[in-house]
Amino acid sequence: DVKVTQSSRYLVKRTGEKVFLECVQDMDHENMFWYRQDPGLGLRLIYFSYDVKMKEKGDIPEGYSVSREKKERFSLILESASTNQTSMYLCASSLGGGLINSPLHFGNGTRLTVT
Amino acid sequence: DAKTTQPTSMDCAEGRAANLPCNHSTISGNEYVYWYRQIHSQGPQYIIHGLKNNETNEMASLIITEDRKSSTLILPHATLRDTAVYYCIVGYYDMRFGAGTRLTVKP
Repeated sequence: DVKVTQSSRYLVKRTGEKVFLECVQDMDHENMFWYRQDPGLGLRLIYFSYDVKMKEKGDIPEGYSVSREKKERFSLILESASTNQTSMYLCASSLGGGLINSPLHFGNGTRLTVT
Repeated sequence: DAKTTQPTSMDCAEGRAANLPCNHSTISGNEYVYWYRQIHSQGPQYIIHGLKNNETNEMASLIITEDRKSSTLILPHATLRDTAVYYCIVGYYDMRFGAGTRLTVKP
């Protein structure tokens, strides 16, 4: 089974801090994704990556950046955390490699609170 | 924006089939239909996907209309553990999620 591991289940940070959320997958997947989930708003795509060092903006990239230096790891960076970035963050991966028939596999999420 | 429309909530009796509808009238020729579910405090779980033929696996069946503008996920014998939010998504690799359907299975 594919395993997508997010480094922290719960995280509390202060306003203005630089925050790193880490995600690792163990199945050699090409594509990786970051979503945030808020009550009433569902899952919203922040960034995704279809290859090492490649990244694409999703629907809500403002205030975030990403890094993919290795195939198995995709990091989400909050450059200067703000209270409106308090949310559940979900990482996902999919096989990719030009295949459009490729389901997402999710981690269990990181619940970030910015105070 | 999500490309699908789903009812906000549905109830189903335990042991009965749960039929969850999804409209995706703007689906394009190569886009697949995917279904996921999310149980509280966990990440979404993949259930099934299809292009135009009906599909079945150990979890569910997927019925896609001939014009591909709508589909139905069928859980043949719903259990209490099937209570979750179910998401229908169409797309390629950059998938957008809508609000989903909150399915409550009742004893």
